Amino acid sequence: GENVEQHPSTLSVQEGDSAVIKCTYSDSASNYFPWYKQELGKRPQLIIDIRSNVGEKKDQRIAVTLNKTAKHFSLHITETQPEDSAVYFCAASNNAGNMLTFGGGTRLMVKP
Amino acid sequence: SQTIHQWPATLVQPVGSPLSLECTVEGTSNPNLYWYRQAAGRGLQLLFYSVGIGQISSEVPQNLSASRPQDRQFILSSKKLLLSDSGFYLCAYRDRGRTEAFFGQGTRLTVV
Repeated sequence: GENVEQHPSTLSVQEGDSAVIKCTYSDSASNYFPWYKQELGKRPQLIIDIRSNVGEKKDQRIAVTLNKTAKHFSLHITETQPEDSAVYFCAASNNAGNMLTFGGGTRLMVKP
Repeated sequence: SQTIHQWPATLVQPVGSPLSLECTVEGTSNPNLYWYRQAAGRGLQLLFYSVGIGQISSEVPQNLSASRPQDRQFILSSKKLLLSDSGFYLCAYRDRGRTEAFFGQGTRLTVV
């Protein structure tokens, strides 16, 4: 089955700096890669996703890049704000869509 | 509109007692359903997923079982809880042909 590794497990940045979270996956059949944000005590919610036919996608301050050859993808948050503090999860899924495998999560702390 | 309900929100159970967590989805048909567990400070571990009534796939051997008696109902059960079963349990669904997964509010289970 799919295995998704996520790094770092914790990340602390100053407000206004950029944050980068990296994930690798094992199944070359995976073609959909979402990122979820989980605020304290709440449910995870989708913030951005990318399909394997695209190398990069951007939505305001967040962007995701995908390297299919190397089987890794990254989340980039620019101009971080305190409200960006949360746990972020990457995930991978294949065409069948039945499995959605998550990484171990990254706790991002943005210091004002 | 589509919604997902999960209950109870919190649960404290003694070791050796049974467990039943329920998840229901509204506004969709034949969704893929998932149970995840999130241990404290850890990632989202996929426990079970279901692609249809009575169809359950287990990802990890464990003290838990799942059932899908109706199209939009997913139940997580245990006959005898262990201390290691403590954690935050999340139910999720994905529509057929869609990629985004939507999570329930979660159940925080503490086994004492």
